[in-house]
Amino acid sequence: GESVGLHLPTLSVQEGDNSIINCAYSNSASDYFIWYKQESGKGPQFIIDIRSNMDKRQGQRVTVLLNKTVKHLSLQIAATQPGDSAVYFCAENRMDSSYKLIFGSGTRLLVRP
Amino acid sequence: DTAVSQTPKYLVTQMGNDKSIKCEQNLGHDTMYWYKQDSKKFLKIMFSYNNKELIINETVPNRFSPKSPDKAHLNLHINSLELGDSAVYFCASSQDRGRNMNTEAFFGQGTRLTVV
Repeated sequence: GESVGLHLPTLSVQEGDNSIINCAYSNSASDYFIWYKQESGKGPQFIIDIRSNMDKRQGQRVTVLLNKTVKHLSLQIAATQPGDSAVYFCAENRMDSSYKLIFGSGTRLLVRP
Repeated sequence: DTAVSQTPKYLVTQMGNDKSIKCEQNLGHDTMYWYKQDSKKFLKIMFSYNNKELIINETVPNRFSPKSPDKAHLNLHINSLELGDSAVYFCASSQDRGRNMNTEAFFGQGTRLTVV
């Protein structure tokens, strides 16, 4: 069956440090990946996306790395801030099924002051 | 100006009741979704609609009936509510740009449904 991500782990980092959140996917046909941030009581919020023809994409303080060989995705957050505390989800989409975004189980990021 | 809005935000109801959750998006998107998030934060797609047509129904019990009166609205009606239906339900929308052009989905704030 299809599966994305790991059981919900918690990553605790010191404010100002860099954070790396990992995600594994099993569907090799997936060609579009998204990272979402979900704060308490809110809906998932788009952070950054990457298509399978790329292996790296940078945004503001965030970088997504895609390793198709091992079906692994990571989100790097530079200079982590308290406002970054949230649950982070990776999601995958297949080119031939645009209408179905499959989510991983999420990682909780806690930023220590 | 909320992009994807759903109402109500909280819903507490008794087993056996029928309830509806409404969703509207003002992004001009042509694809809308319902997701269910369980107590472990796992997000699972329930339905997706493209141009008011049902595209995906992920083996959801037929007590759940989505209705899309137009491209900007996707409502979810639930009959005979059960305890296991308690969850947070998210509406989302995205723009279909055709094959090979997936785009991100924008989510509403969620409706926390509690069945007692």
